[in-house]
Amino acid sequence: EDQVTQSPEALRLQEGESSSLNCSYTVSGLRGLFWYRQDPGKGPEFLFTLYSAGEEKEKERLKATLTKKESFLHITAPKPEDSATYLCAVQSSSNTGKLIFGQGTTLQVKP
Amino acid sequence: KAGVTQTPRYLIKTRGQQVTLSCSPISGHRSVSWYQQTPGQGLQFLFEYFSETQRNKGNFPGRFSGRQFSNSRSEMNVSTLELGDSALYLCASSGGQGTIYFGEGSWLTVV
Repeated sequence: EDQVTQSPEALRLQEGESSSLNCSYTVSGLRGLFWYRQDPGKGPEFLFTLYSAGEEKEKERLKATLTKKESFLHITAPKPEDSATYLCAVQSSSNTGKLIFGQGTTLQVKP
Repeated sequence: KAGVTQTPRYLIKTRGQQVTLSCSPISGHRSVSWYQQTPGQGLQFLFEYFSETQRNKGNFPGRFSGRQFSNSRSEMNVSTLELGDSALYLCASSGGQGTIYFGEGSWLTVV
């Protein structure tokens, strides 16, 4: 069964304190791994899609990496405005219309 | 470029009633999928439509249904509402280039 597990559930950082969020997955043929940011009361905001092991993508203070079993979202020198819930999802090559989401990591960055 | 538009944003319904939610995808996107988000279950896939045809369906009862029109706009309907149907309903739009964008969602409260 396709499954996504994110850790930790919650993370508190001081402004400028870099860290990583983990997304472990099992899927029968990975078509793509997606990262989203979700602010309270809003829909998920697209960040990255990764397709194959070894791939990396960056956007401002965020960098996503992918291996055959997990993905990491590295946050470098975070700011309070990076506080949000970060969601990871996988898309199977046998069922491309469906995303399977993890439970998310809620990040709080204190000034 | 306009994003994914969902209406209404907020609604309150009584148990036993039915509700219809609307989604206008990004211009040119032919795939529309629907998700239910609750604090306990996270984001769960409801169904996906592509060119007016349901291509995938999640594990939800038959009370949940949807359709897509020739202009790619989609609606989802929930009949005989239950208290447990209270959730954020999210619509996602895909153009097939590896990015899937979400709308802001429709908040449904069943009382």
